[in-house]
Amino acid sequence: QKEVEQNSGPLSVPEGAIASLNCTYSDRGSQSFFWYRQYSGKSPELIMFIYSNGDKEDGRFTAQLNKASQYVSLLIRDSQPSDSATYLCAVSGGGADGLTFGKGTHLIIQP
Amino acid sequence: NAGVTQTPKFQVLKTGQSMTLQCAQDMNHNSMYWYRQDPGMGLRLIYYSASEGTTDKGEVPNGYNVSRLNKREFSLRLESAAPSQTSVYFCASTWTAMNTEAFFGQGTRLTVV
Repeated sequence: QKEVEQNSGPLSVPEGAIASLNCTYSDRGSQSFFWYRQYSGKSPELIMFIYSNGDKEDGRFTAQLNKASQYVSLLIRDSQPSDSATYLCAVSGGGADGLTFGKGTHLIIQP
Repeated sequence: NAGVTQTPKFQVLKTGQSMTLQCAQDMNHNSMYWYRQDPGMGLRLIYYSASEGTTDKGEVPNGYNVSRLNKREFSLRLESAAPSQTSVYFCASTWTAMNTEAFFGQGTRLTVV
């Protein structure tokens, strides 16, 4: 059984600070890693994806991957109240069943 | 470009009733999925269709059936609804089943009383 673990939170971060979200996964053969943002009552939307070890930056968001440690993280710089949401980590092992999701971390940005 | 469209958005069923949730995508994606999302449980895969003409069970398939009607449409059927099936259901699609990002429909909030 493939597992993806996230701290459920809530994670409270002051506006303008860096929010750090973490995720670990059990399947060492996992190949692709995704971060989704989900506002309350809405569907998940893709923020970032990363395939290779290291960092990937897109605007205020940076995804970090360490396959040896089976660890993925998402950094949000200059956090805004609009970043308050649940962040879902998702992992793909390349199988036909697609993505395995973590339970999500609830992030609160305090004005 | 609508993306992934689910109907209905809300539904209340009585125990034992049946219903079909509809999902259609216009992105020419090959793979489609049905998830349920419950508080504290995250997104759990019910059924998936890696390509047109194929369907397979996911993590929580009991009480559900699916049909991949064509490349665009993937429906989920509850034959005899139970209160344990009260949940938010999401349909998603990907270009292929391998390593590609999923696009989600807006969800169906189902209550079984």
